[in-house]
Amino acid sequence: DAGVTQSPTHLIKTRGQQVTLRCSPKSGHDTVSWYQQALGQGPQFIFQYYEEEERQRGNFPDRFSGHQFPNYSSELNVNALLLGDSALYLCASSWAELGLPNEQFFGPGTRLTVL
Amino acid sequence: GDSVTQMEGPVTLSEEAFLTINCTYTATGYPSLFWYVQYPGEGLQLLLKATKADDKGSNKGFEATYRKETTSFHLEKGSVQVSDSAVYFCALRENTGTASKLTFGTGTRLQVTL
Repeated sequence: DAGVTQSPTHLIKTRGQQVTLRCSPKSGHDTVSWYQQALGQGPQFIFQYYEEEERQRGNFPDRFSGHQFPNYSSELNVNALLLGDSALYLCASSWAELGLPNEQFFGPGTRLTVL
Repeated sequence: GDSVTQMEGPVTLSEEAFLTINCTYTATGYPSLFWYVQYPGEGLQLLLKATKADDKGSNKGFEATYRKETTSFHLEKGSVQVSDSAVYFCALRENTGTASKLTFGTGTRLQVTL
């Protein structure tokens, strides 16, 4: 059983560009959350998707957007990249029982470097 | 808002030493508490969890007890191994409705030497 997978592993972009990161959840999971982990810091919650809708959002600007597909996979899009967006982006999947959350399983992350 | 405070690292111990990593939290309700571990170049792995006051989570020799009176969830292990070297994150999750975001501390790096 494959766990949470993310692509690409590494990415280098320049300021002002746009980037799309991808996540496939663990089999049987229907909820995807995204986190940003800056170097030496703990992960910060960006948003969560359930039933193809954004269910909860953290304190991130509108430049950060996402999408969930019918097969539960998800994308994170970041527009107008800033140097400060350089970080490890983690995807976590979970399943909802009666709409309530369960344990989150994390992928290995995508390392984004903005030059 | 919710927050988690961890002791700063790095923590350097000799193999077989006793480990304590302190964690305290601030939350408006009654959160679930977690310890995650991150090995070099990898994502986060759940180490243990506790969902209500006085619960003790345990896994792989690690333990942590949910102390509501002191708002703490300290991680302990009686005898560390070199393979325990990693970054440890304390986290909470509010149990309100469908909200399930995790709020993390800044992490504590543990280095175990022979």
